[in-house]
Amino acid sequence: AQTIHQWPVAEIKAVGSPLSLGCTIKGKSSPNLYWYWQATGGTLQQLFYSITVGQVESVVQLNLSASRPKDDQFILSTEKLLLSHSGFYLCAWSLGTSSAETLYFGSGTRLTVL
Amino acid sequence: GEQVEQRPPHLSVREGDSAVITCTYTDPNSYYFFWYKQEPGASLQLLMKVFSSTEINEGQGFTVLLNKKDKRLSLNLTAAHPGDSAAYFCGFMATGGNNKLTFGQGTVLSVIP
Repeated sequence: AQTIHQWPVAEIKAVGSPLSLGCTIKGKSSPNLYWYWQATGGTLQQLFYSITVGQVESVVQLNLSASRPKDDQFILSTEKLLLSHSGFYLCAWSLGTSSAETLYFGSGTRLTVL
Repeated sequence: GEQVEQRPPHLSVREGDSAVITCTYTDPNSYYFFWYKQEPGASLQLLMKVFSSTEINEGQGFTVLLNKKDKRLSLNLTAAHPGDSAAYFCGFMATGGNNKLTFGQGTVLSVIP
């Protein structure tokens, strides 16, 4: 069975500080990977997706970047946090074998920027 | 891009009553449609995925109806219980695309015992 693990569970960071959020998928090779962001009380917005190692497509940047250094790992980062980065960050995966696939979400990271 | 409108933003019902959440969309292309449930502080749990050719989809304690003529997708909880209290999101994904899932604005459902 596939498992998706996000870390950390929660972060409290200062404006202007760097950030790195991680996501690991186990039990599935070559998945499609996604980052979503949810403002408090808001809807979910896709930020990035990746179909293979080293390849990341930006959907909405929000002064963030993403990388896929390994087949099972997806990293979201920034060098300088803004107040507007606060929210809930969700990593998701899909099979990567066809279009219109179901996305399965991780447990998320809650980020508070002060 | 696809425009999705989800209503209502908040819904409060008594235990045993039905609850209906609706999403309307504008793009006439074929889609897959999704309903996700998000309990407070938690991640998203897939409730159902339906294709545009299926109008009535039965789940456990709920029904998803797709009205292609009116471009409307609805989630109908038949007899709500407190465990149904959560945020619900509809989602749309175009076939033949890059698996971009566009979500509705969400509905926070409260079921009062």
